[in-house]
Amino acid sequence: NAGVTQTPKFQVLKTGQSMTLQCAQDMNHEYMSWYRQDPGMGLRLIHYSVGAGITDQGEVPNGYNVSRSTTEDFPLRLLSAAPSQTSVYFCASRQGQGAAYEQYFGPGTRLTVT
Amino acid sequence: GENVEQHPSTLSVQEGDSAVIKCTYSDSASNYFPWYKQELGKRPQLIIDIRSNVGEKKDQRIAVTLNKTAKHFSLHITETQPEDSAVYFCAALRGGTSYGKLTFGQGTILTVHP
Repeated sequence: NAGVTQTPKFQVLKTGQSMTLQCAQDMNHEYMSWYRQDPGMGLRLIHYSVGAGITDQGEVPNGYNVSRSTTEDFPLRLLSAAPSQTSVYFCASRQGQGAAYEQYFGPGTRLTVT
Repeated sequence: GENVEQHPSTLSVQEGDSAVIKCTYSDSASNYFPWYKQELGKRPQLIIDIRSNVGEKKDQRIAVTLNKTAKHFSLHITETQPEDSAVYFCAALRGGTSYGKLTFGQGTILTVHP
C-alpha cells in the first residue's frame, strides 16, 4: 500500500511552459485535493474532487486545471507557468468528506518557474 | 468561507518547556479541527484532532483544547524535545456541504533548543 504518491519530486519550468503534476492513491479514497504551500501562507486549496468525474475549484484555482477520470488519479495541469506558481505542491486524499476521515498527503512536488 | 488564523508564526522554547499554539476560526459551522506536523522537506502528517462535541483531547505529550463559543482551539505540547522541532498547522473543516474542504492556518515554526 503506497498511499499517496506524486511525481515528479522536483521540476524547473520556464515561464509559459505547461506541465502536469501527477498524483495517485491506492486506498480507494473518494476525496482528493491539491494544495500549494508558500512560506507564511500555510496550505491553500487549489482544486478538489469528491469522486471520479467530479471536480471543483478551491481557494486559488487560477492557472491550474484538474480532471478525475479514475478514482486513483488526480493530475494537476499548469497551463502556462508563471513565476508566481513557484511553490511546493501537495496532493491529498481522504476516504470521505466528513470529519471521520483522516486526510493523507503525498510527498510533494517542488516547482520552480524561472 | 472559513478563515483560520494561527499564532504565533514562530515559537522558540528550551527542551523540557511547554509550547502552545493557538488558532481561531470564523465559521461557527466548522466541526472538525486537525493539527498537522511537517518536518523539513517532508509531507504534513496528522498528529491529533478534535471534533466539536469534545472540549479536550490528549495523546501522551500533546493535547488539543477547543472553545466553540470563542471559536478558538489550541495545541499544547509538554516536555518538548528537539524532535518536536517542525512546522505545525491547524485546520478547520466545515460541516454539512463543505465537500470536505479543510482550511489551514498559516503555520507555526517551532524550534526546541537542547
